[in-house]
Amino acid sequence: SAVISQKPSRDICQRGTSLTIQCQVDSQVTMMFWYRQQPGQSLTLIATANQGSEATYESGFVIDKFPISRPNLTFSTLTVSNMSPEDSSIYLCSVETPGRDTQYFGPGTRLTVL
Amino acid sequence: QKEVEQNSGPLSVPEGAIASLNCTYSDRGSQSFFWYRQYSGKSPELIMSIYSNGDKEDGRFTAQLNKASQYVSLLIRDSQPSDSATYLCAVATDNDMRFGAGTRLTVKP
Repeated sequence: SAVISQKPSRDICQRGTSLTIQCQVDSQVTMMFWYRQQPGQSLTLIATANQGSEATYESGFVIDKFPISRPNLTFSTLTVSNMSPEDSSIYLCSVETPGRDTQYFGPGTRLTVL
Repeated sequence: QKEVEQNSGPLSVPEGAIASLNCTYSDRGSQSFFWYRQYSGKSPELIMSIYSNGDKEDGRFTAQLNKASQYVSLLIRDSQPSDSATYLCAVATDNDMRFGAGTRLTVKP
């Protein structure tokens, strides 16, 4: 399985500001995903990030609010823009390694918006 | 309509017992099935994958798949307090992977 790191691991932010979360993988992967998990809830897919193309967003998530970059096969960022307390959640990146159809998760970023 | 359904629990079993976790799915085109374990405050960790009907065993874990009934289960034998976690069922098609809401398991010493 891939080794995945995320930065920051946690942050407390003020309403109206933006936070960029980084996801780094130790090997090249085609598919990277960004999820949100609110306390006691399951995973909600925000978007799929493919290198060299625009991210594909799930219903209810828009690029203006959650811009994503995927500059190469080992790195992606998710920005949470103009934050409100409702954005308080754990944000997880995951990857699908070549030749396997399952996903491996990073450690997550715990975001609290005041 | 939920696509992957799990009993949210909590499911409580005594140490040493068998814990049985169940999952149903709606997409008959689903091809791959996974169980993830998520400890509180941690990210999901893949523990089992299964692709064909029948049973697949890995240590104390057994995954069971019945595609005709659209049902997948996870059995944990000789349950330990360290097995206490939320277990997520995931179902994949050619295009995506969907997660259930998870079942919270507590193993009591």
